[in-house]
Amino acid sequence: NAGVTQTPKFQVLKTGQSMTLQCAQDMNHEYMSWYRQDPGMGLRLIHYSVGAGITDQGEVPNGYNVSRSTTEDFPLRLLSAAPSQTSVYFCASRTGASNEKLFFGSGTQLSVL
Amino acid sequence: AQKITQTQPGMFVQEKEAVTLDCTYDTSDPSYGLFWYKQPSSGEMIFLIYQGSYDQQNATEGRYSLNFQKARKSANLVISASQLGDSAMYFCAMREGGKGGADGLTFGKGTHLIIQP
Repeated sequence: NAGVTQTPKFQVLKTGQSMTLQCAQDMNHEYMSWYRQDPGMGLRLIHYSVGAGITDQGEVPNGYNVSRSTTEDFPLRLLSAAPSQTSVYFCASRTGASNEKLFFGSGTQLSVL
Repeated sequence: AQKITQTQPGMFVQEKEAVTLDCTYDTSDPSYGLFWYKQPSSGEMIFLIYQGSYDQQNATEGRYSLNFQKARKSANLVISASQLGDSAMYFCAMREGGKGGADGLTFGKGTHLIIQP
């Protein structure tokens, strides 16, 4: 019972490098999203998707790209990493019903030097 | 203005005592949902309880209950008979009903709860 799987768990980048955080869910959930967690800030929404081929911006989308080519996968791309993107990243999914809880992945700790 | 406010950055509670974690919210949408999540030191996000804005009764899940006071826009989490394993960060979050709630959850900054033996 995998649920939401995020890779990698840890990553160190140099300023200007690009990378992709992977997220996959096996629950056939329509809705997927990415959050970042910074100390003292709670979680903030980066991007979300309500189905394959549909994505939209959240509260803090700058510097990140997403795509949703399949129901299962929702990768997050950092185009040119900056120290301000040092954070813990969580992927989450749920069914389409608005009262449904989010299922979270285990998180990716990213450091940008 | 913050949509979710958690006024207690940290709390120390004696084991077996009841705990109330405060959460107030701000929305003009009549349809919304309120969630509480627990984040232990290992980092995962664990769903605890949900309250819908139209729910007539306060939500309960085992030792967790939600004290929902709609007029005060308050959704406090109550943990009965606290245990050492309850030590964690606790986040209150809201989903507003517009666009089917597709915009995701808005989180508060969290309360760090420490249960002392």
